Amino acid sequence: DSGVTQTPKHLITATGQRVTLRCSPRSGDLSVYWYQQSLDQGLQFLIQYYNGEERAKGNILERFSAQQFPDLHSELNLSSLELGDSALYFCASSVGLEGGYTFGSGTRLTVV
Amino acid sequence: GQSLEQPSEVTAVEGAIVQINCTYQTSGFYGLSWYQQHDGGAPTFLSYNALDGLEETGRFSSFLSRSDSYGYLLLQELQMKDSASYFCAVRLGNTPLVFGKGTRLSVIA
Repeated sequence: DSGVTQTPKHLITATGQRVTLRCSPRSGDLSVYWYQQSLDQGLQFLIQYYNGEERAKGNILERFSAQQFPDLHSELNLSSLELGDSALYFCASSVGLEGGYTFGSGTRLTVV
Repeated sequence: GQSLEQPSEVTAVEGAIVQINCTYQTSGFYGLSWYQQHDGGAPTFLSYNALDGLEETGRFSSFLSRSDSYGYLLLQELQMKDSASYFCAVRLGNTPLVFGKGTRLSVIA
């Protein structure tokens, strides 16, 4: 157990639907990052939160949004889902803005 | 923009040594990290190099040459459990890590 908790582990949903992925960072970590990993692709950065505020945005689609709550857990909302959104979504956390990342076990999203 | 290049696949024999290279083109480079990911698993942090030279952690070592925009991960005494994907990632200041596409290492008997 890495200390970063992601739920659910698996999600199957239909095109056009909306889903919410949840992440609880490791205790004491203030930074939360969301990455998308498609088949045979590297980890594509989506968005980062630091201590409740959005810190950086990557190639995140307008259909996707995220937030970090006062208890530092984060949610990634994916709407109007398309087949191409099927991927592994990882959450990672770090103590500050530097240092190694600790990844959660990921949510495997399948859009059918 | 940034780009990282690493081989897509490497095969090596159990007990041998393998080197996985990573070249990068970035601006504002701070350091190079390596992560390991087993099939179906989460990436796990292996090493971080901010300065030129070799960092050793057990069977794994990581090297960085900032002047050559190049680094590598060296795995010694390969074991079957080392079969995994290995990602290099660059740190650019306080911005989130940018990952390469990964190298799939297969260790064969």
